[in-house]
Amino acid sequence: QKEVEQDPGPLSVPEGAIVSLNCTYSNSAFQYFMWYRQYSRKGPELLMYTYSSGNKEDGRFTAQVDKSSKYISLFIRDSQPSDSATYLCAIDHTNAGKSTFGDGTTLTVKP
Amino acid sequence: DSGVTQTPKHLITATGQRVTLRCSPRSGDLSVYWYQQSLDQGLQFLIQYYNGEERAKGNILERFSAQQFPDLHSELNLSSLELGDSALYFCASSVASGIGELFFGEGSRLTVL
Repeated sequence: QKEVEQDPGPLSVPEGAIVSLNCTYSNSAFQYFMWYRQYSRKGPELLMYTYSSGNKEDGRFTAQVDKSSKYISLFIRDSQPSDSATYLCAIDHTNAGKSTFGDGTTLTVKP
Repeated sequence: DSGVTQTPKHLITATGQRVTLRCSPRSGDLSVYWYQQSLDQGLQFLIQYYNGEERAKGNILERFSAQQFPDLHSELNLSSLELGDSALYFCASSVASGIGELFFGEGSRLTVL
């Protein structure tokens, strides 16, 4: 079993839709939760970073963490064609020495 | 621009050969990470260095090795290449060791024929 499982997609939505991207994890020692965005042929870049259960908002993006269920989500409101990318969840714990990534969900937002 | 520089951007070579990928971290970052990204396996952690010392190791093959030099740049050496080694290899850097935001380079795309 992988430590981090991500809904595989791909996902295609019309412009303006609300998008939900989801990951589950197995190790309760994980403490830090991140979402990266990766455009085609580019390296991933950090979108959101949180370490506690609950919601964190940044503009049109909301990261949600439920540690009791070991479930994390990224919501995108009013999605735009420029949001078309692969979204990767990533999870850390202090002693891991690395971030563990989900396999990514490819999102296409159609105008 | 993340500030992480990787060279070469593209590399085509034959099975059995050896290649070296190079990474310069962001100014001030002491940690360097190598990840492999292939179509069927996502982003896989290979190895991490912090200020010249190996700190964490993932499922890195014995044919692969890496090091971080005193000027903090890092090299990933891949030898006895096989077709299955074809992938994007990313370097990332961070200030701290093991946690926090990673800044990724644009990757080195390796094709083994």
